[in-house]
Parts: sequence; structure tokens; C-alpha cells
Amino acid sequence: SAVISQKPSRDICQRGTSLTIQCQVDSQVTMMFWYRQQPGQSLTLIATANQGSEATYESGFVIDKFPISRPNLTFSTLTVSNMSPEDSSIYLCSVEDTSGGLNEQYFGPGTRLTVT
Amino acid sequence: EDQVTQSPEALRLQEGESSSLNCSYTVSGLRGLFWYRQDPGKGPEFLFTLYSAGEEKEKERLKATLTKKESFLHITAPKPEDSATYLCAVAGGSYIPTFGRGTSLIVHP
Repeated sequence: SAVISQKPSRDICQRGTSLTIQCQVDSQVTMMFWYRQQPGQSLTLIATANQGSEATYESGFVIDKFPISRPNLTFSTLTVSNMSPEDSSIYLCSVEDTSGGLNEQYFGPGTRLTVT
Repeated sequence: EDQVTQSPEALRLQEGESSSLNCSYTVSGLRGLFWYRQDPGKGPEFLFTLYSAGEEKEKERLKATLTKKESFLHITAPKPEDSATYLCAVAGGSYIPTFGRGTSLIVHP
């Protein structure tokens, strides 16, 4: 399975500012995913990022708020823009492993964001 | 719309006390059901994929089973290190998994 790292691991930010989260994978992957995990809630998919194309956003998430970059097959960034306290959450990067037939997902350690 | 409901929300066990976690689901065309373990402050760790009703998979003290409506994660003789949140997810026609809220398991020594 892929080894995934994220930076930063946690941050405390002022409202109105932006934070960029980095996700690095130790192997080339086609699809990368960004999730949000709020306290007591299930993982919610924000968007799917493919290299060389625009990210695909899920309902309720927009590019202006969560711009995503995918410059190559091992790296992606998610920016949380114009933050408010409601954006406080854990943000997770994940990748697919297609070797098992069905697309199993593996997750990074997460970025814990607190907006004050 | 795919839906996943996990129960109970929280479970406390004594070391050695076996139990089961439930994952009920509705999905249009099940392609796979996934179990993950998540420790505090960490990302989910993949445990199992089940593809069809009747399938079972085991890993150490964990055994996952699947029917057409639900999956169980059986924990046999748990140890304190099994304490974690266990997440269930299903993938249907969209291939993107839908996650449940998880069951928080605490195993007391």
C-alpha cells in the first residue's frame, strides 16, 4: 500500500486567512482524494484530483473555497480559503490502490485545522 | 443515495470480552464494503474489503462478515490495543465510498 504524508499535521488559523495543505505519496497514483472529517461525523469527500485536469468537487464544495492543485502523480495540495470557525476539521488526503481489483483507499495522517 | 449506519456509536469492553460491531447499508449495486480502523489523531487504516454476501475475512482478532443488508466486525478476545474507532464504508455505482460515522471501541484491561 502507498505511504502518504501530509503537511502540516495541525494548525491554528485566524478567520479570513487561508491555509494550504500538502499531500505527498511515495508512488505514482492516478486519483487522489480530499476528505473532511468533522467531530462526530463521517468522512465527507470534498473533491477528487486527477493529474492534468481540474478537480471534481462534490455537492456542497466549490473551487473558490477549496482550490486544489495536482501538479504530478505523487503530489497534491488543498487550500482552505477565507476560513471561518466552521472550517475547523480534520482534512485527509487519500489515494486508491487498484492492485486488489476494487479501488481500496488509503489515507494520510490528516491535518487538524482549528480556526479562531 | 448510498447510506451507511453503524452501531453502536460507542462500545466499552473488558479485555477478553468478545463482541460485534454492526454496519447496515443501502446501496445501488454493491461493489465493495470496506472496514477501516482509525486511531486518535491519525488517518483511517484499511482493514478489509468484502465484495459479496457470504464473504468473510479475518485478520488477527478481527473477522468481517457480509450479508445483503449489513456487515459485522467481530472482535474475539479483544485487547486494549484494539481500542480505536472502526469505520465502515460502501462503494456502489459511483465507486466513491460512502462512510458511516464509526463505532468508538474502548477495551479496558
